[in-house]
Amino acid sequence: EIVLTQSPATLSLSPGERATLSCRASQSVSSYLAWYQQKPGQAPRLLIYDASNRATGIPARFSGSGSGTDFTLTISSLEPEDFAVYYCQQRSNWPRDGITFGQGTRLEIK
Amino acid sequence: QVTLKESGPVLVKPTETLTLTCTVSGFSLSNARMGVSWIRQPPGKALEWLAHIFSNDEKSYSTSLKSRLTISKDTSKSQVVLTMTNMDPVDTATYYCARFRNPPFSYDYWGQGTLVTVSS
Repeated sequence: EIVLTQSPATLSLSPGERATLSCRASQSVSSYLAWYQQKPGQAPRLLIYDASNRATGIPARFSGSGSGTDFTLTISSLEPEDFAVYYCQQRSNWPRDGITFGQGTRLEIK
Repeated sequence: QVTLKESGPVLVKPTETLTLTCTVSGFSLSNARMGVSWIRQPPGKALEWLAHIFSNDEKSYSTSLKSRLTISKDTSKSQVVLTMTNMDPVDTATYYCARFRNPPFSYDYWGQGTLVTVSS
């Protein structure tokens, strides 16, 4: 099973700052990586798919990059509504090997 | 408008079998570009993928939970059902169903989730 490791576990920043979140896979997942945002009491929301493609309706301040084993989600200038938990998810070898999520990065207001 | 809604018991006893239903609207479970997964999240913890069913009725299961899970669908009722046997307190979680669409080969719509507590 492919393991996704997200870092840092918690990121403390202020509105207007740039956020950089990392997701590392235990083996190559090519570009088959997605990012989700989850706010308290809500279901996750798709932000980025296939490593770098913004989902419908996602603001341009969100961007994704990477391939293989190392991926980054960048929020260029944090808005108050961006403070949430972010998860990466891989689908390499889908459907044979299933899907896995990272353990999440909590983005909190400093 | 695409919606998914989970339903089932809020409380189950240890060793019992959990049955959850996901009722979808706004798309057909026979659409070749769509599938539905079950994903759970213990309180304060990360998301865990459980199972998936494709439009052609092919299924995929989490390796670690495969022996306990069964996923099925009734296209005419627009429902996807998950059963999990031998429930344990560690299975206490919010259970989500989510639509997997190709593209974007990701979960583009999610249900609101249903909290299931396992306790005697």
